[in-house]
Amino acid sequence: AQSVSQHNHHVILSEAASLELGCNYSYGGTVNLFWYVQYPGQHLQLLLKYFSGDPLVKGIKGFEAEFIKSKFSFNLRKPSVQWSDTAEYFCAVIPSWGKLQFGAGTQVVVTP
Amino acid sequence: KAGVTQTPRYLIKTRGQQVTLSCSPISGHRSVSWYQQTPGQGLQFLFEYFSETQRNKGNFPGRFSGRQFSNSRSEMNVSTLELGDSALYLCASSLAEGSSYNEQFFGPGTRLTVL
Repeated sequence: AQSVSQHNHHVILSEAASLELGCNYSYGGTVNLFWYVQYPGQHLQLLLKYFSGDPLVKGIKGFEAEFIKSKFSFNLRKPSVQWSDTAEYFCAVIPSWGKLQFGAGTQVVVTP
Repeated sequence: KAGVTQTPRYLIKTRGQQVTLSCSPISGHRSVSWYQQTPGQGLQFLFEYFSETQRNKGNFPGRFSGRQFSNSRSEMNVSTLELGDSALYLCASSLAEGSSYNEQFFGPGTRLTVL
């Protein structure tokens, strides 16, 4: 079955550490890719998206993601996290013909 | 501009009952999508409505249904509730049809608990 996989369910790291969250998908063909974030008690909101062009995408709050088509991956990165980055992060993929599919989410906890 | 609103925010029902959830999209948005979020299954797509028509549907049983009104507001109905229907139901709106090229804006969700 076609799916979206996020490698880690829980990540704990200290402030100023670098963060990388993995996302792989199994759809062939053209896809659009998203990372959403859900801060505690808040709505899901879009961090960044990739439709086409430069595979390195920059989003809000210092996040970026790299689309590697050959690896079917769209990993999220932030060089130096802050306590306020504590949240749940969701990768989402939509093939051109289909509907938005989310990964299971990664709970990130940043300790002061 | 007001965001996506969902009512009620919390709901407790018993097995066998039915429930209706409501979603008001951002003003000017014509597409509304519904998702079910559970700890075990994550976020799963339920359906998408645009111009009062269902455009896309996820893999949920027929007990789950929805509709959209001419003002783009949408309702979702679940009949014959089961314990496994306990979840956070999220509504998202976007400007146009299809989630491919349109950012979806999510509401706070309705937390449904089935006892």
